[in-house]
Amino acid sequence: GQQLNQSPQSMFIQEGEDVSMNCTSSSIFNTWLWYKQDPGEGPVLLIALYKAGELTSNGRLTAQFGITRKDSFLNISASIPSDVGIYFCAGATYNAGNNRKLIWGLGTSLAVNP
Amino acid sequence: EAGVAQSPRYKIIEKRQSVAFWCNPISGHATLYWYQQILGQGPKLLIQFQNNGVVDDSQLPKDRFSAERLKGVDSTLKIQPAKLEDSAVYLCASSFRRGTNEKLFFGSGTQLSVL
Repeated sequence: GQQLNQSPQSMFIQEGEDVSMNCTSSSIFNTWLWYKQDPGEGPVLLIALYKAGELTSNGRLTAQFGITRKDSFLNISASIPSDVGIYFCAGATYNAGNNRKLIWGLGTSLAVNP
Repeated sequence: EAGVAQSPRYKIIEKRQSVAFWCNPISGHATLYWYQQILGQGPKLLIQFQNNGVVDDSQLPKDRFSAERLKGVDSTLKIQPAKLEDSAVYLCASSFRRGTNEKLFFGSGTQLSVL
């Protein structure tokens, strides 16, 4: 099935550094979502973006919905050890019945060195 | 508020055996999803229920996979017979919607190993 282009695939950073990851697609999406998945758990929603150009923050996290509606980025400022995990982007479209369909990225694995 | 409950957490079976997973969604959530997540990949939708009706099962391998959601609450996903490539984490999620805003809540998943 279709999956989004998410980069980088993995990152290893020092505590306190800022992190940036992005997601691109050849298709247009109505909604962009960013999730974090800890080992042995399901993904948890971090940020949802609903309009092109929208910039939204959640604590140290900031995400933007690209103007072209084909991309999105997630920034994490001043990383801490508990930021470790896999970050997934997901793009959403709606069909004629207003049913939402999500397309997921392959994930960015983040490791933070204390 | 209780989250999405899944069981078992782990299952090891041999190929050609059968296996079943159970999910109890968050109370009041009409929509329930089953996802398959292979190591190193994002979740892949297998089936979506709205109450007890199937909304999307286009990616469900129907020759071996089946799912039901009787009474529009709990759901079971079955694989019969299992293949080696079915080794993955099976995630259940439920959601509610306000307008176009829909938030998914995932369970912890069942990790399946097929030997």
